[in-house]
Amino acid sequence: NAGVTQTPKFQVLKTGQSMTLQCAQDMNHNSMYWYRQDPGMGLRLIYYSASEGTTDKGEVPNGYNVSRLNKREFSLRLESAAPSQTSVYFCASSVDQLGEQYFGPGTRLTVT
Amino acid sequence: SQQGEEDPQALSIQEGENATMNCSYKTSINNLQWYRQNSGRGLVHLILIRSNEREKHSGRLRVTLDTSKKSSSLLITASRAADTASYFCATRGSGAGSYQLTFGKGTKLSVIP
Repeated sequence: NAGVTQTPKFQVLKTGQSMTLQCAQDMNHNSMYWYRQDPGMGLRLIYYSASEGTTDKGEVPNGYNVSRLNKREFSLRLESAAPSQTSVYFCASSVDQLGEQYFGPGTRLTVT
Repeated sequence: SQQGEEDPQALSIQEGENATMNCSYKTSINNLQWYRQNSGRGLVHLILIRSNEREKHSGRLRVTLDTSKKSSSLLITASRAADTASYFCATRGSGAGSYQLTFGKGTKLSVIP
């Protein structure tokens, strides 16, 4: 039982490049989330998926898109990376929208 | 916007002492959760307390919730060096469509052996 897995662990992009961050969970959870964490800050919600087939914007969605590919997988895409998107990105999942969340190990992204 | 605000921002104690962290929030909640983050790692859920609960225990952790003051506290008793981490409170809104979990900026706890 791997929990929540994220790939890649580290990534360096040049401004304007695109990439997709992958997230998968094997706990049969309905809800999945993408957060970013900047130094000295708590986590800020980018997008979430309350259940398979739905996605909604969080607090900081600009510059990102998401796809809930199936119940297990939820990907985050940066179409044209900007230095302001340098951050650590965390994926999380929960049984439903009210319960505790389980986090992946994070992806450290640097945009130069 | 971040609803939960932890206090203090940093806390340094000796091993064996108790550590208390506080969290204040602004709007009504369904529940409040505490998470721990070790350096360079993802967050780990510690405890969830519902709006109709006042106190909850889990091992060496004790969480209280005062909805009239919109505040919560996390107490770690008999701290260990392994408790060194950042601790975040997160609030879950109470209205339909407001179920997003909103995190505070965290308290950085250092436990000195």
